[in-house]
This record gives sequence, structure tokens and C-alpha cells, in this order.
Amino acid sequence: DAGVIQSPRHEVTEMGQEVTLRCKPISGHDYLFWYRQTMMRGLELLIYFNNNVPIDDSGMPEDRFSAKMPNASFSTLKIQPSEPRDSAVYFCASSPQYSARGKLFFGSGTQLSVL
Amino acid sequence: AQTVTQSQPEMSVQEAETVTLSCTYDTSESDYYLFWYKQPPSRQMILVIRQEAYKQQNATENRFSVNFQKAAKSFSLKISDSQLGDAAMYFCAYRSLGSNYKLTFGKGTLLTVNP
Repeated sequence: DAGVIQSPRHEVTEMGQEVTLRCKPISGHDYLFWYRQTMMRGLELLIYFNNNVPIDDSGMPEDRFSAKMPNASFSTLKIQPSEPRDSAVYFCASSPQYSARGKLFFGSGTQLSVL
Repeated sequence: AQTVTQSQPEMSVQEAETVTLSCTYDTSESDYYLFWYKQPPSRQMILVIRQEAYKQQNATENRFSVNFQKAAKSFSLKISDSQLGDAAMYFCAYRSLGSNYKLTFGKGTLLTVNP
């Protein structure tokens, strides 16, 4: 199994540009999570999906952020327009419904820098 | 909402010695999972150990063990015979077994291992 795959690994963009982060969860996993990590705020849950349906998006900072999961094997997190304060590491994670005893499987993260 | 508190932003230990990282959490639920994740400089999130709340026996994984005090809502991690490779950020995390199936993290403890 290839694990959770995120792309790109690094993204540098200028303020005002649109940024799209991508995630491929582990096949067969029912849950997909997007987290943001910063020094100040630690690991924050942005949104999570169950069977491609968004369940809790209360962590999404504002309307500039949007996430989609068009099918079981792909999700995107989009920021439009991006701002310097969006600079962070963004993690995607997936989890099966009942097995794995609650464990989340994390991708390697995308380091986003907004100049 | 559940909260997870790690009161030690940084800890250090001598190689081969033992160190304990603290974690407390707040919940009104009776059944849940608790985790310790390790994040080395590579930023990959690695599961160290997990504990199901219904199990009274403390979990152990080789040199890693926990002290789970359910009534006190405390979940500390003990690392025995510390190795240089243990140096990392350690996150305590809580996951509900109910409808809100997200993983909530503490702010982390940065562990330094001195040779």
C-alpha cells in the first residue's frame, strides 16, 4: 500500500494567487481529514469527510478555503485568494470506518509558503 | 468539545535515560481512543502508541508505555532507554468513538535527546 499521497510537497506562491492542494487517501478508507499545522496554533482540523460527504467543516478559517472530495480516491483543498497568514504545513489523513482501532494514516504534508 | 493539553512545550533527556511526557484531556464521553504521535524533522506523523479508554491495562510498545488515568483524564507517555532517534515533536491526541470522529491534538512537546 502506497499510503496517503499528497501533492505538491512544497508550494510557494504569491499573495492573491489560487492554491490547490491534493490528496489521495488509502484505498478503502471511509474517512478523510485535512489538518493545518503552524507553530502558533499547532495541528488544527480544517474539515473531514465520511464517504465523500463533508461532515464537519467548522475548522475552515473563512470563505477563502474550500475542500472537495469528488470520489473516494481524491480530495482537494483550495485557497483563493491566498494570504501570507495561510503559510503552514497542510496534512491529509485517512482512516477506515471500523478497523485500525481509530488510527489515522497521515500523508507527508504540503509545506505552503505565501509571499 | 474535547480539548487536549500538553503542559510541557519542551523536554530534554540524556541518552539511555527515561523521560515522561504529560498530557491531560477534557471530555464528557466514556469511550474513546487516546494516541501519542511522533513528528521528527521529516514532518511525517508516526503513531507511537494508542490506548482504548475501556481498557484498564496501560498500553506498551517496546520502550514506550503510557500511564492512563481515566478518572483524572491523564495520559502520559514514558520513553525508556532514550535514543537519539527519539528526538522529535510528540503530540497527544484524542478521538471520539461517537458521531464526531475527528482526532483532536495537543500543542505538542519538543523532545531533545542529549548524547
